[in-house]
Amino acid sequence: LAKTTQPISMDSYEGQEVNITCSHNNIATNDYITWYQQFPSQGPRFIIQGYKTKVTNEVASLFIPADRKSSTLSLPRVSLSDTAVYYCLVGDWGAGSYQLTFGKGTKLSVIP
Amino acid sequence: DTAVSQTPKYLVTQMGNDKSIKCEQNLGHDTMYWYKQDSKKFLKIMFSYNNKELIINETVPNRFSPKSPDKAHLNLHINSLELGDSAVYFCASSQETLYYEQYFGPGTRLTVT
Repeated sequence: LAKTTQPISMDSYEGQEVNITCSHNNIATNDYITWYQQFPSQGPRFIIQGYKTKVTNEVASLFIPADRKSSTLSLPRVSLSDTAVYYCLVGDWGAGSYQLTFGKGTKLSVIP
Repeated sequence: DTAVSQTPKYLVTQMGNDKSIKCEQNLGHDTMYWYKQDSKKFLKIMFSYNNKELIINETVPNRFSPKSPDKAHLNLHINSLELGDSAVYFCASSQETLYYEQYFGPGTRLTVT
């Protein structure tokens, strides 16, 4: 089974750039890396997805090195509303079945 | 318009009962999922359905059974509920399997007493 590892929590001041790294050593060749955001009492919400190198959208950037064994979610100039749990998701081919593995999540607290 | 909806939002029941949670998506997606989020906030996939076929099946107890009457619905049936089943259950859908963003429902908080 692939396992993902993320920091349990991070603190940041408003206006700073925040980088959250996820390790996924056993990522399969065809797997994509996806990040989700979850606010309390809500379902997760898609942020960004990538396969390699760099992907950028209107809310975040995703950096993936050549070996794809990790990925970094970058949130530019965070605000209080970015306080949430961020999950890293990769596909995993293990034990003969295709399984989705969410990271345990990183709780980001943005401080005014 | 709600993309992915779940009913009920809260469910309180006693051990040994059988209950169902309903999920509907109006996005025209091909794949639907059920996730369990426990008290420690770990989010784990339970099932995935693509065009009415089970394509992912985590090692969950067979007391849990997904049922899909059509592409827009994936219901979760739970038999003989146990205390450890208490959690928040999320339904989700995606256009295709795994490589595309998933849209999550608001969750159903199940409490077994």
